[in-house]
Amino acid sequence: SQKIEQNSEALNIQEGKTATLTCNYTNYSPAYLQWYRQDPGRGPVFLLLIRENEKEKRKERLKVTFDTTLKQSLFHITASQPADSATYLCALDINTGFQKLVFGTGTRLLVSP
Amino acid sequence: NAGVTQTPKFQVLKTGQSMTLQCAQDMNHEYMSWYRQDPGMGLRLIHYSVGAGITDQGEVPNGYNVSRSTTEDFPLRLLSAAPSQTSVYFCASSYSMQGQGKFFGPGTRLTVL
Repeated sequence: SQKIEQNSEALNIQEGKTATLTCNYTNYSPAYLQWYRQDPGRGPVFLLLIRENEKEKRKERLKVTFDTTLKQSLFHITASQPADSATYLCALDINTGFQKLVFGTGTRLLVSP
Repeated sequence: NAGVTQTPKFQVLKTGQSMTLQCAQDMNHEYMSWYRQDPGMGLRLIHYSVGAGITDQGEVPNGYNVSRSTTEDFPLRLLSAAPSQTSVYFCASSYSMQGQGKFFGPGTRLTVL
């Protein structure tokens, strides 16, 4: 069956450290993989997109890697801040022409001062 | 720009009642979609539209109807509400080009008693 897995346990880290979140998937061949941030009571906010032929993408303190052999994406936040505390969702664009995104359940990140 | 707006923010219905969740965007996006978010599950696609007059079903379409008479608006209709439709509903829009992030609205929290 097709699955997207993100760690359901919250990730607790100290301010200034690098947070690394994992997204694993099975039985999909996504053309793109996207990461979103969601704060409580709000809609997801798009952060980064990486294509299947890209290994790594960066945006300010954010870095995403995409390994289509391992079927895994890693999402890194360097020099983390308490304001980075949120739930992070990964989503696969399974390239059906419409951008049908299939979402993981998200990982909650808590950054302590 | 207001981005993607949704009304109402909260709604309580009784089983069997009908209602319409409103969604509008002012970014001239061709693509619009409705997702529901339930605890422990990723966002799931209900219906989507690739342009005015064109709609299609997503992963969980049963019990919902949509129409798209203008580029800006994409209402979601619950025909006869059921407790299983208790959820948070998000509307999203994006440009039609592949590899674009989606803009999500703030969500509607619906409870069906």
